[in-house]
Amino acid sequence: GNSVTQMEGPVTLSEEAFLTINCTYTATGYPSLFWYVQYPGEGLQLLLKATKADDKGSNKGFEATYRKETTSFHLEKGSVQVSDSAVYFCALSDQDSTGGYQKVTFGTGTKLQVIP
Amino acid sequence: GAGVSQTPSNKVTEKGKYVELRCDPISGHTALYWYRQSLGQGPEFLIYFQGTGAADDSGLPNDRFFAVRPEGSVSTLKIQRTERGDSAVYLCASSLAGYTGELFFGEGSRLTVL
Repeated sequence: GNSVTQMEGPVTLSEEAFLTINCTYTATGYPSLFWYVQYPGEGLQLLLKATKADDKGSNKGFEATYRKETTSFHLEKGSVQVSDSAVYFCALSDQDSTGGYQKVTFGTGTKLQVIP
Repeated sequence: GAGVSQTPSNKVTEKGKYVELRCDPISGHTALYWYRQSLGQGPEFLIYFQGTGAADDSGLPNDRFFAVRPEGSVSTLKIQRTERGDSAVYLCASSLAGYTGELFFGEGSRLTVL
């Protein structure tokens, strides 16, 4: 079945540091890939997505590139801010056997803490 | 409201009791999902509705769990004979259709079984 593996946290960085959160996946088809973020006290929300190989998703200074050859979708940001402190979830969706809806599978999440 | 609404936000119950959790999706969203999230884990899929019907209930852990969406909008997750292991945050999400993987989540219902 489909699965997502992401690096364990927590990750603690100083403000303006470079961020990488690793994510690799296993899927039988050609999944779409996502990063969701959960800020303290809020629900999960979509951060960025990529739907095919070599696509780059980007939002709020975050980027991730869909790498089919390494089955990876690592999240990066050049300069983190205190307001980026949150839990980040890598996820994939793939069509079911009927070609219908896409079930979304999540990783375990990586907590990021940015200190001033 | 504009977002996905879940009630109650917190529920404490005793082992063996019956619990209902409610989800009100974004207006016009035909797809609705239930997930369960335990501490330190990612969301675990439970069930998916397209309209009124459950298109995929493969994630429900056993027959104590049941969900309905009778009019294609509000959904209720029902848990019978609760056990301590059912304690978790139950998340609801909706989307325009089940084909994009872009989900809009509520803030969750935290269930504690004593």
